[in-house]
Amino acid sequence: NAGVTQTPKFQVLKTGQSMTLQCAQDMNHNSMYWYRQDPGMGLRLIYYSASEGTTDKGEVPNGYNVSRLNKREFSLRLESAAPSQTSVYFCASSEQTTQPQHFGDGTRLSIL
Amino acid sequence: EDQVTQSPEALRLQEGESSSLNCSYTVSGLRGLFWYRQDPGKGPEFLFTLYSAGEEKEKERLKATLTKKESFLHITAPKPEDSATYLCAAASGNTPLVFGKGTRLSVIA
Repeated sequence: NAGVTQTPKFQVLKTGQSMTLQCAQDMNHNSMYWYRQDPGMGLRLIYYSASEGTTDKGEVPNGYNVSRLNKREFSLRLESAAPSQTSVYFCASSEQTTQPQHFGDGTRLSIL
Repeated sequence: EDQVTQSPEALRLQEGESSSLNCSYTVSGLRGLFWYRQDPGKGPEFLFTLYSAGEEKEKERLKATLTKKESFLHITAPKPEDSATYLCAAASGNTPLVFGKGTRLSVIA
């Protein structure tokens, strides 16, 4: 029972490089989310998709883009990575936006 | 603006020393209050949902309670394996959950 799967688990980029983080869920959930977690800042919502075919900005969307590829998959793209985007990125999914979210184990991203 | 505040930021307990973590929320029309546990290097793990004031949920040494303004996570006779960061989140309207910053719990043997 995989739940939410994120790839890759670790990545190091140079400033200006681009990268796509992948997320897939096998729980038939409608809603999916991308967060970043930094020390002392808690979880901050980057983008979310309430249902297949829709995406909305969260608290910190600048520098990121997302694609809801299908009901299972939700990707996060950094077009031109900056050191300020060094963080741990979590993907989550839920039945609806007001239901409990289930999280992947994160992608640890360092940008030099 | 919806807001969730957790206290304390960090808590250090001796094994067996019971205590409570606080989650205060300010949301318009609460539709659910959620507790999570997060271990280092892992994603948050869902523990409980509470829907209305007076509701309680229990799991092993943990009990979550809810009032109209706050929720408590009571930890009875904690063990070192209860050490983790505990997050709470509130749901309102049709928007995503609002998370607090968490309480980092350390239980010393």
